[in-house]
Amino acid sequence: GQQVMQIPQYQHVQEGEDFTTYCNSSTTLSNIQWYKQRPGGHPVFLIQLVKSGEVKKQKRLTFQFGEAKKNSSLHITATQTTDVGTYFCAGPPGNSGGSNYKLTFGKGTLLTVNP
Amino acid sequence: DADVTQTPRNRITKTGKRIMLECSQTKGHDRMYWYRQDPGLGLRLIYYSFDVKDINKGEISDGYSVSRQAQAKFSLSLESAIPNQTALYFCATSRPGLQETQYFGPGTRLLVL
Repeated sequence: GQQVMQIPQYQHVQEGEDFTTYCNSSTTLSNIQWYKQRPGGHPVFLIQLVKSGEVKKQKRLTFQFGEAKKNSSLHITATQTTDVGTYFCAGPPGNSGGSNYKLTFGKGTLLTVNP
Repeated sequence: DADVTQTPRNRITKTGKRIMLECSQTKGHDRMYWYRQDPGLGLRLIYYSFDVKDINKGEISDGYSVSRQAQAKFSLSLESAIPNQTALYFCATSRPGLQETQYFGPGTRLLVL
């Protein structure tokens, strides 16, 4: 079945440093979503990318979707302590017709930030 | 008030006991999901439901059953709990569309002794 892999599993940075997490799927994705889970909290939707090669920005966060629609990345510029949490990518298989009802989640990257 | 609620938030039970985790939502979404989260394993889909009469198995349904009592309610049951079902359980909802986002409840932390 479809597998979604994320690296690294953990990342510890000093406040102000940049951070990147990478997501790779074993199959083509119709789209990819990113979620953030704060410690002790629940996953919260951040963004969805649909188009091949798409890049979207949310303030200090930059999301990219690969040309082959099998990989994605999340980059945070100048991390802050509020960025602490686990970042998950998730995607439905490429033949899902765009519906996200059956998401496969990556295992997540836990980001910790030293103030 | 939270849009997706789960009860209980924490539960300790013993091996062999039957327990039920409940999820309610006020978002008006038709689609509801149950996931379990284990450290280092991410979120894995247990069951999902498109509406009251449509329930489907997910990736790891063995040992679990569900009931969709109404559009707003989706319950997860462990018929005979075992220690490896110790995990954090999340309910989620979504509405089909171009950007079908999943909205998660606060989670239920379950410990099976």
